[in-house]
Amino acid sequence: KNEVEQSPQNLTAQEGEFITINCSYSVGISALHWLQQHPGGGIVSLFMLSSGKKKHGRLIATINIQEKHSSLHITASHPRDSAVYICAVASNFGNEKLTFGTGTRLTIIP
Amino acid sequence: ETGVTQSPTHLIKTRGQQVTLRCSSQSGHNTVSWYQQALGQGPQFIFQYYREEENGRGNFPPRFSGLQFPNYSSELNVNALELDDSALYLCASSSKTGSTEAFFGQGTRLTVV
Repeated sequence: KNEVEQSPQNLTAQEGEFITINCSYSVGISALHWLQQHPGGGIVSLFMLSSGKKKHGRLIATINIQEKHSSLHITASHPRDSAVYICAVASNFGNEKLTFGTGTRLTIIP
Repeated sequence: ETGVTQSPTHLIKTRGQQVTLRCSSQSGHNTVSWYQQALGQGPQFIFQYYREEENGRGNFPPRFSGLQFPNYSSELNVNALELDDSALYLCASSSKTGSTEAFFGQGTRLTVV
């Protein structure tokens, strides 16, 4: 079992739909990251959170430390949101390396 | 843009050759981590450098080695390249000040033929 599990693996939705991507992890963490990766590879950090909720524009990220679960929500989705969304956790065991999920491929259809 | 620059962006090498990939860190960051992302997979941790010293290593053989320089930029060296080394190599810079926010470069896509 992977330390970081994401669901769904693939998600296709119509423009305007509300999107939820889930991340569960099994290790102790100091922080959880939501990242966006476009074709070509570059990764952009969307959020880093260790508790509660953060909002940036149409993106909302929540984390429940007790349940070891986080969600990324996209409101009023747009085709430009199409990308791979990756959840990664920073362990609390010293070197803060990131352990990544395998990503959720999101496609928003106009 | 994150301020983290990787070079080269693409590279083709032959099996058995050696390769050096480079990463400049975000200004003010003293930690660089390297990750390997095979096609369709999530990135896997290779190693991390903090203040010019290796500070943790993933499950990669010794032919994967690294360096960090006084300006905190970093190199990843891979010797005796194998076909399975073909991947996107990502570096992330961060600062060990309590915040673990990481900024990623665009990656170097290595193809071993």
